[in-house]
Amino acid sequence: DAGVIQSPRHEVTEMGQEVTLRCKPISGHNSLFWYRQTMMRGLELLIYFNNNVPIDDSGMPEDRFSAKMPNASFSTLKIQPSEPRDSAVYFCATVPKLNTEAFFGQGTRLTVV
Amino acid sequence: GENVEQHPSTLSVQEGDSAVIKCTYSDSASNYFPWYKQELGKRPQLIIDIRSNVGEKKDQRIAVTLNKTAKHFSLHITETQPEDSAVYFCAASYTGNQFYFGTGTSLTVIP
Repeated sequence: DAGVIQSPRHEVTEMGQEVTLRCKPISGHNSLFWYRQTMMRGLELLIYFNNNVPIDDSGMPEDRFSAKMPNASFSTLKIQPSEPRDSAVYFCATVPKLNTEAFFGQGTRLTVV
Repeated sequence: GENVEQHPSTLSVQEGDSAVIKCTYSDSASNYFPWYKQELGKRPQLIIDIRSNVGEKKDQRIAVTLNKTAKHFSLHITETQPEDSAVYFCAASYTGNQFYFGTGTSLTVIP
């Protein structure tokens, strides 16, 4: 298995543009998390899916952020419109079952100018 | 939700010395506590974990201790080496599938 796959690895966009980050989980993992990492705030949990259903989105900063998981093999995190303060590394992580290791993707480094 | 606090935010030690990173959590229902290491420009990766039915766990030079009564857990690295330099994150999980991370500790091992 290639692990958790995120795309793109790097994204540079202008303020106001829509940004879509993608994640392909490891096959068989039934939980998926989106995290945002910044120097100031560390790793912040944005949203968590279990069996494709959003369970907790309380970490989503505002309505400009939305996430979907249409099936077990794909998830997206969308920011519309993007702002410079959204610049961060966004990680997707998946977990196979209860109380086990979370596997992280390589991350997407987003820069909004 | 869970609130995980991690200290210190930065730590410098001489090669061969020990390093200790401490975390506290707020939800007494939390029962799984992993530690992740993130090297520069890379993804976080699990280095050790502990469950609430265990007080201490060791794997070669790294060990983790858990005090459920006080709601705190710690990472201990002995005989530190330059390759231990990285950012370390603790996490707490209370449903088994939600992970709340501390803000990270940047460890520098000085040769």
